[in-house]
Amino acid sequence: NAGVMQNPRHLVRRRGQEARLRCSPMKGHSHVYWYRQLPEEGLKFMVYLQKENIIDESGMPKERFSAEFPKEGPSILRIQQVVRGDSAAYFCASSPRGGPSTDTQYFGPGTRLTVL
Amino acid sequence: EDQVTQSPEALRLQEGESSSLNCSYTVSGLRGLFWYRQDPGKGPEFLFTLYSAGEEKEKERLKATLTKKESFLHITAPKPEDSATYLCAVQASYAGNNRKLIWGLGTSLAVNP
Repeated sequence: NAGVMQNPRHLVRRRGQEARLRCSPMKGHSHVYWYRQLPEEGLKFMVYLQKENIIDESGMPKERFSAEFPKEGPSILRIQQVVRGDSAAYFCASSPRGGPSTDTQYFGPGTRLTVL
Repeated sequence: EDQVTQSPEALRLQEGESSSLNCSYTVSGLRGLFWYRQDPGKGPEFLFTLYSAGEEKEKERLKATLTKKESFLHITAPKPEDSATYLCAVQASYAGNNRKLIWGLGTSLAVNP
């Protein structure tokens, strides 16, 4: 019973390049969340998606960042024209559909993005 | 503004020395309070969900409690393998369909053998 999977685990990009982070939710989960963790700042919500639908992107920077969760395949967090300030750990979480159990989010191992 | 504050920032215990971690929160309607454990270089690992004041949950050496303003994570007779950062998060009921978690900065626990 695989948990939330994220890849790559480590990603190095030069300033101005694009970063693509992938997240496969747990089996049977249809809700996906992305969080960013900076040293000394804790975890911050970025975006909440269901299949083919963005529910809340209030934590996402207005420029350069986008997210999707297609009908088939993993959720993608895309960062265009990366800058050094984008260096962080990006975590994906998923939760089941329906009922109170949707409130519990299960996290993946994260992608550590380093921008040179 | 919704806020979660954890204390202490860091805690060092001897093996077997029980203690408590605190999570105080300010939110306009609590949907749920969550405790996670995070090891270095890994993602948060779910521990407990608490929904209403007076609720308690237990798992091995850990016990979580909830009041209207704060939650405690009690660690009884800790072992070195309990060393980790313990994170607290809340989910607001006013947010409707939104399930986002608002996080504290965590308590870094070190248990010495």
